[in-house]
Amino acid sequence: GQQLNQSPQSMFIQEGEDVSMNCTSSSIFNTWLWYKQEPGEGPVLLIALYKAGELTSNGRLTAQFGITRKDSFLNISASIPSDVGIYFCAGQRGNTGKLIFGQGTTLQVKP
Amino acid sequence: GAGVSQTPSNKVTEKGKYVELRCDPISGHTALYWYRQSLGQGPEFLIYFQGTGAADDSGLPNDRFFAVRPEGSVSTLKIQRTERGDSAVYLCASSFTGALLDTDTQYFGPGTRLTVL
Repeated sequence: GQQLNQSPQSMFIQEGEDVSMNCTSSSIFNTWLWYKQEPGEGPVLLIALYKAGELTSNGRLTAQFGITRKDSFLNISASIPSDVGIYFCAGQRGNTGKLIFGQGTTLQVKP
Repeated sequence: GAGVSQTPSNKVTEKGKYVELRCDPISGHTALYWYRQSLGQGPEFLIYFQGTGAADDSGLPNDRFFAVRPEGSVSTLKIQRTERGDSAVYLCASSFTGALLDTDTQYFGPGTRLTVL
């Protein structure tokens, strides 16, 4: 079963607002990843984090790899309608490639 | 094609039947993964191939599930004696090497939605 706790479960915000979501784990991961999934599609990678404490940006998205290696957050600034979707965190240990996903955060943006 | 493709996109079957789900990875990708996504949940890992061999099959729920990748490219996920609880979206992903490299992103296909009646 799932080992990552992702919150909040859903968010309904106004266009232009900033968004923050986070993910915690009871165990350590070597890599944290953030994906976005839209209806009928597979997840698409947004940001990958490889070092504890790392802060990485991708346009309006910023994510951090927690110092303890047990948590990560994703921020979206100045949200727009096309940000709508389900955001998943995922952790990876070792080099097997196996990803463990959180339960997802559903984001809705009101124009 | 440029991305990971999966066929069929939808599959409806009856309880007890056998089904096969196909994944065509991105050309040149040596690593291939299968995940299962239930409604309202994140994907759950099933199995990972490095070339033709299953490097990690720890996520397969039971012996009704089996996957092959005979030539190191296309993979087939096989489910025997399907049960209603097998209903989910089955996602396939591929990556260049499967190693923990900065460029080794897993690219997902659109999935096969399996419904067991």
